[in-house]
Amino acid sequence: DIVMTQSPLSLPVTPGESASISCMSSQSLLHSNGFQYLNWYLQRPGQSPQLLIYLTSSRAFGVPDRFSGSGSGTDFTLKISRVEAQDFGVYYCMQSLQTPITFGQGTRLEIK
Amino acid sequence: QVQLQESGPGLVKPSQTLSLTCTVSGASISSGGGYYWSWIRQHPGKGPEWIGYVHYSGSAYYNPSLKSRVTISRDMSKNQFSLNLGSMTAADTAVYYCARYYYHSSGSTSYFDYWGQGILVTVSS
Repeated sequence: DIVMTQSPLSLPVTPGESASISCMSSQSLLHSNGFQYLNWYLQRPGQSPQLLIYLTSSRAFGVPDRFSGSGSGTDFTLKISRVEAQDFGVYYCMQSLQTPITFGQGTRLEIK
Repeated sequence: QVQLQESGPGLVKPSQTLSLTCTVSGASISSGGGYYWSWIRQHPGKGPEWIGYVHYSGSAYYNPSLKSRVTISRDMSKNQFSLNLGSMTAADTAVYYCARYYYHSSGSTSYFDYWGQGILVTVSS
């Protein structure tokens, strides 16, 4: 199984500031087709996870451009600029290069 | 708008089999293509865990860690798909989600795009 490791586990942020979350995979997520199968999800309290970023850097429909994804190989980053109240919750990275599909343990974005 | 709704018991006794159903609206599970109808669970305070998924063709794929206990099937006439998880123990207590997974044959998309609200399943005598 591909193990996904996120850091930090908790990230206190003042609204209006930027935030950065790291995700490392135990093996490269680069497919022979050139795509890197790394997604990001946000789970707000009491809700299901919602897709933010797919294929490392493509924003899902309706996701504001304050969210950006980058990275390659085994190291990936989600950046949130100008954090807003609705951005707080738990962020998960997920790999779908191979089954079993696996998720990180989560990073809790908290109000500072 | 695609919607998924889980249904089933919230309490299961140890050693019993959990049976959950996901009812899909706004999309047809028989529409084919790159859609895989999925079950995911989440233990308290942990990241989600993929259980498996079923394709409209009937082909199912499971997490090896659960494969010996899991069956995922679909009922196209009811636009539903189901999860059976046998030999339940306290370690299976979790919120269970159904979700749609989309993979385009070009490889240009690969994600869970729609999720149900989740159902808490507790294993206890």
